[in-house]
Amino acid sequence: NAGVTQTPKFQVLKTGQSMTLQCAQDMNHNSMYWYRQDPGMGLRLIYYSASEGTTDKGEVPNGYNVSRLNKREFSLRLESAAPSQTSVYFCASSEYSVNSPLHFGNGTRLTVT
Amino acid sequence: AQSVAQPEDQVNVAEGNPLTVKCTYSVSGNPYLFWYVQYPNRGLQFLLKYITGDNLVKGSYGFEAEFNKSQTSFHLKKPSALVSDSALYFCAVRDNAGNMLTFGGGTRLMVKP
Repeated sequence: NAGVTQTPKFQVLKTGQSMTLQCAQDMNHNSMYWYRQDPGMGLRLIYYSASEGTTDKGEVPNGYNVSRLNKREFSLRLESAAPSQTSVYFCASSEYSVNSPLHFGNGTRLTVT
Repeated sequence: AQSVAQPEDQVNVAEGNPLTVKCTYSVSGNPYLFWYVQYPNRGLQFLLKYITGDNLVKGSYGFEAEFNKSQTSFHLKKPSALVSDSALYFCAVRDNAGNMLTFGGGTRLMVKP
């Protein structure tokens, strides 16, 4: 049981380049999330998808777009990368319930130069 | 807006001694509270949650947490620390109206032999 799988694990971009972070879950969860983790700031929510076909902005959505491709997959796109987007990105999934814990992938470490 | 505070960046404890990692929260309505642990180069792993009922919640790996409504706190505890407990710990809160899980900044636990 793979859980939540993120690709790639590492990426280096130059300012202005674009890329898509991929995320897939095999737990049949309805809700999926993208967070970024920066030192001393915990995890901040970028976008989430409460259920297939819906997406909503989180705390820090600027500079990002998302696509809920199907129930399993939720991708995060950086159209024009900036150094401020250097971070570790985590995808997570959960049941559609306020008391359900999130299940996280192992992260993508992105550096923008 | 909901928020979580983890007042200690780092907690140091000797192996075998009890440990406490502090968390306070602010949320409208009834809180749903969670603790997660993160090991190096890994995603967050769910430890325990408080939904309702008993104020002392037991979770994975011998951890427990005490919910205190009057102090709006949800401190993580363990009676006897292990070196292998050394990791980054995150407290998180969700209100009963939304789908967003808000994290604290994290506390690094160092258990020394």
